[in-house]
Amino acid sequence: QQQVKQSPQSLIVQKGGISIINCAYENTAFDYFPWYQQFPGKGPALLIAIRPDVSEKKEGRFTISFNKSAKQFSLHIMDSQPGDSATYFCAASIQEGTDKLIFGTGTRLQVFP
Amino acid sequence: DSGVTQTPKHLITATGQRVTLRCSPRSGDLSVYWYQQSLDQGLQFLIQYYNGEERAKGNILERFSAQQFPDLHSELNLSSLELGDSALYFCASSAGGFTQYFGPGTRLTVL
Repeated sequence: QQQVKQSPQSLIVQKGGISIINCAYENTAFDYFPWYQQFPGKGPALLIAIRPDVSEKKEGRFTISFNKSAKQFSLHIMDSQPGDSATYFCAASIQEGTDKLIFGTGTRLQVFP
Repeated sequence: DSGVTQTPKHLITATGQRVTLRCSPRSGDLSVYWYQQSLDQGLQFLIQYYNGEERAKGNILERFSAQQFPDLHSELNLSSLELGDSALYFCASSAGGFTQYFGPGTRLTVL
């Protein structure tokens, strides 16, 4: 019940295209859903995050869509660029008490020119 | 740059040995988290400290221990190392809000 399932494992997108990564969870107590971006040899960096009281959050080319009833959330990267090539992790946590992050398995995104 | 520092960047050691990984959180952050990243297990939460006190434990082996000092830096001690302990170890910190900021990691190789 503590798992976060992420798909696809890898994604190849052409420059200018839309990249979509999906995550699903079971624990309805989760109340914070961040996405992290990780480049090779670097630590994960927070990209964008959402709480379950909103259905969508947009920051620049990055959008999180959240479906509370389906217990799913997704990351959309519009106008994908080669510089977006990285591994993306969704995560979930419960803010009350410990706020440890439960991570998805990651999606390796490659954007080709 | 997240403001979280970790040392050393790389560590190569032998099975059975003991190592200490160090983390300095962002200025003012009271919470420190340790995560392990391996190819087969992904990013796994190990342990959390808040202002010197252990707050939560995750999938941390008994051979591993951690502490947070009065100056808020934290150390992760790994003992009786096995080949399977080879991984990236990340420290993250937060101010108690939602966002966790990750350090650059320590790559541990056990030979």
